[in-house]
Amino acid sequence: EAGVVQSPRYKIIEKKQPVAFWCNPISGHNTLYWYRQNLGQGPELLIRYENEEAVDDSQLPKDRFSAERLKGVDSTLKIQPAELGDSAVYLCASSSTSGGGETQYFGPGTRLLVL
Amino acid sequence: GQNIDQPTEMTATEGAIVQINCTYQTSGFNGLFWYQQHAGEAPTFLSYNVLDGLEEKGRFSSFLSRSKGYSYLLLKELQMKDSASYLCAVRDLKAAGNKLTFGGGTRVLVKP
Repeated sequence: EAGVVQSPRYKIIEKKQPVAFWCNPISGHNTLYWYRQNLGQGPELLIRYENEEAVDDSQLPKDRFSAERLKGVDSTLKIQPAELGDSAVYLCASSSTSGGGETQYFGPGTRLLVL
Repeated sequence: GQNIDQPTEMTATEGAIVQINCTYQTSGFNGLFWYQQHAGEAPTFLSYNVLDGLEEKGRFSSFLSRSKGYSYLLLKELQMKDSASYLCAVRDLKAAGNKLTFGGGTRVLVKP
């Protein structure tokens, strides 16, 4: 079974430029998460989708970050414009449902460097 | 909110045992996860505890005490490939959609 797929794996951009990340969750998983992980820290949730609905985006900096999950499968996370402090690894995860003990499975992440 | 504490770094010798502690404070505990993350890679699921006691999976075991807000991950017969960060994560029933909050991770270095 294929795992969570993310692209690109690495991205280097200059500040003020836009950037987008793509995620394809495990087939059949209706819940999708975007996390940001800074060096030496644990992942922090940015947004969670149940199918195509964003049900928790309280940690998403909405002035520059946006996300979508059209058709409830693939998702994109966008930053516009990027700032130096956005340099981090952006992880996508998915799980089968959001309640109970469902395990989240992570993709390999996109490592973003903003210069 | 939640507060999750785990040591920043631990060093152990190949073949030995290491215990990684995690303490947490949450208003609506609904499960604790341990993930392993090698440098530059995605976190991978190791274990899940929701009831008190010990869960054993081969060389790895995880223990939970809900009354003490405490868990540990035990790694036995350490191998060089066990060098990684180990993340403790707590699910909060009172947070939207059973939100999972991660600790900062414990970096384990296994020496020959």
